[in-house]
Amino acid sequence: GENVEQHPSTLSVQEGDSAVIKCTYSDSASNYFPWYKQELGKRPQLIIDIRSNVGEKKDQRIAVTLNKTAKHFSLHITETQPEDSAVYFCAASRGNQGGKLIFGQGTELSVKP
Amino acid sequence: GAVVSQHPSWVICKSGTSVKIECRSLDFQATTMFWYRQFPKQSLMLMATSNEGSKATYEQGVEKDKFLINHASLTLSTLTVTSAHPEDSSFYICSARRVATNEKLFFGSGTQLSVL
Repeated sequence: GENVEQHPSTLSVQEGDSAVIKCTYSDSASNYFPWYKQELGKRPQLIIDIRSNVGEKKDQRIAVTLNKTAKHFSLHITETQPEDSAVYFCAASRGNQGGKLIFGQGTELSVKP
Repeated sequence: GAVVSQHPSWVICKSGTSVKIECRSLDFQATTMFWYRQFPKQSLMLMATSNEGSKATYEQGVEKDKFLINHASLTLSTLTVTSAHPEDSSFYICSARRVATNEKLFFGSGTQLSVL
């Protein structure tokens, strides 16, 4: 079945440094890749997404890259701030077919002041 | 943005009782709603896909007779945990996909279920 692998499971960086989280997916028909930020006990919040016809997308300090050939995508956060500390999830789906969203295992990011 | 309301936000119940969780799309119509379960420090695991007016599709390993899903309208889906046991204690969260869009999901606020 579909599977999404996410690494690392925990990531600790100093404020101002960059953070990179990587995901691989198994379903070659996946074409929609969102990233969510979840704070403890709260709902996941969509922070950025990318579709398979695009290789990179940027929104201020956040960027996502996609390599369809290798079936992996990455989240890049630059100039990290303590409020970036949370659990981040990648996900994949066959978006244009109304497909279900499969999540990675999550990365707990800690940004130290 | 689209708003998905989920109730209750937390519930404590005795073992053997049933608990109903509601998921409502407040300002849009949702053709599809998804139910996820999340254990502490773990990922969101898809339980089932709910389409309005039809039977839910359950993921492998999820007991359909234990987790009853009803999607009677384009704005409401319910998940009933029947004969709950302590191992069912978890964070349950729904998400909804807007009619005529096939990508973005909007999440409810989640329900923390504790079964004593």
